[in-house]
Amino acid sequence: QLQLQESGSGLVKPSQTLSLTCAVSGGSISSGGYSWSWIRQPPGKGLEWIGYIYHSGSTYYNPSLKSRVTISVDRSKNQFSLKLSSVTAADTAVYYCARERQLRYFDLWGRGTLVTVSS
Amino acid sequence: EIVLTQSPATLSLSPGERATLSCRASQSVSSYLAWYQQKPGQAPRLLIYDASNRATGIPARFSGSGPGTDFTLTISSLEPEDFAVYYCQQRSSFGQGTRLEIK
Repeated sequence: QLQLQESGSGLVKPSQTLSLTCAVSGGSISSGGYSWSWIRQPPGKGLEWIGYIYHSGSTYYNPSLKSRVTISVDRSKNQFSLKLSSVTAADTAVYYCARERQLRYFDLWGRGTLVTVSS
Repeated sequence: EIVLTQSPATLSLSPGERATLSCRASQSVSSYLAWYQQKPGQAPRLLIYDASNRATGIPARFSGSGPGTDFTLTISSLEPEDFAVYYCQQRSSFGQGTRLEIK
């Protein structure tokens, strides 16, 4: 059974870069028909899609975050990563990685990891 | 970008009652709409995809309807474990959520 697990720093200083990794187990990240996304949720608020990387390697980002976001994939390690630069307190959130099926719906989610931006 | 508007923001019902949650899209999205359930401290869970298809393992009391711009998630008879927040989603857009609480 395929599973996703986020990892990375839980505390980031303002203006620095947030870095997270999502490890995929029980299946291949190179499987066709899927994209691999990052979604975040500020405390007590709703869900915000950050971006995805397709199995081909192409990426697409939320326009509101595009200038600060990079999503990459490491096929040898079966994982994908998120970098968000120049963070502020507004970037404090639970960050989820998720698998999107045929660009239609998110059928598999990681448990999420809380990232706090604070000095 | 498509905007999804969910109503009501909060729905207060008792176990055994029927729940009807709405999601309106700013333009037609055909049948490409999904619903998720989120409980405190947990990741969202896919309930319904393509407007009316139940995801694997989702009980039959959950159903969805569409297509077009107006979508509905119906829970036919509420169980105690159904009280949670529900989100609709279309591509990169999420609705703001409906909180289903015990009356």
